[in-house]
Amino acid sequence: GENVEQHPSTLSVQEGDSAVIKCTYSDSASNYFPWYKQELGKGPQLIIDIRSNVGEKKDQRIAVTLNKTAKHFSLHITETQPEDSAVYFCAASKSGTYKYIFGTGTRLKVLA
Amino acid sequence: DAGVTQSPTHLIKTRGQQVTLRCSPISGHKSVSWYQQVLGQGPQFIFQYYEKEERGRGNFPDRFSARQFPNYSSELNVNALLLGDSALYLCASSLTGARTDTQYFGPGTRLTVL
Repeated sequence: GENVEQHPSTLSVQEGDSAVIKCTYSDSASNYFPWYKQELGKGPQLIIDIRSNVGEKKDQRIAVTLNKTAKHFSLHITETQPEDSAVYFCAASKSGTYKYIFGTGTRLKVLA
Repeated sequence: DAGVTQSPTHLIKTRGQQVTLRCSPISGHKSVSWYQQVLGQGPQFIFQYYEKEERGRGNFPDRFSARQFPNYSSELNVNALLLGDSALYLCASSLTGARTDTQYFGPGTRLTVL
């Protein structure tokens, strides 16, 4: 069935360093990949997304890369700041459906 | 502008009871989706409604039902509660519910089943 694996489950980095979170999806028909940030007590917030016709997308300190052949996509955060500390979720979706398949989440801790 | 609002914030029920959760979307948004988030896991899709019609359903039993009202607010009902229904229930709204529409999530309702 449809599945999205996400690694690592926890990640600690020093402030100013980069963080990378990786996801693998199982359904080759998936063609839309959003990333969400969830802070304690809040709902997930979309931070960046990528479509399957694009290999990379960047928005300031955040970038996402997609490898369709390997069915991998990754979130890159550069120059991390303490306010980046949160749980990050990747998700995958495909045409003809309205649901997102979410990964299991990565708890990112940025140490000051 | 108000974001997505959900009520109640927290809820404690016992096994076998029924519960109703409520969601108000962002003004102008016509689609509402419901997700269940068990502790330590990612959200799982339950339903999507657009213009009061169910447009998608996840792999959840018939004990879960929902509806959308003319003002686009929505209710999620769960009957015959089980311990495993304990979770954070998230509502997300978007303009049309299309895959690539940004989904804006509310803070969720934390349901505990004892």
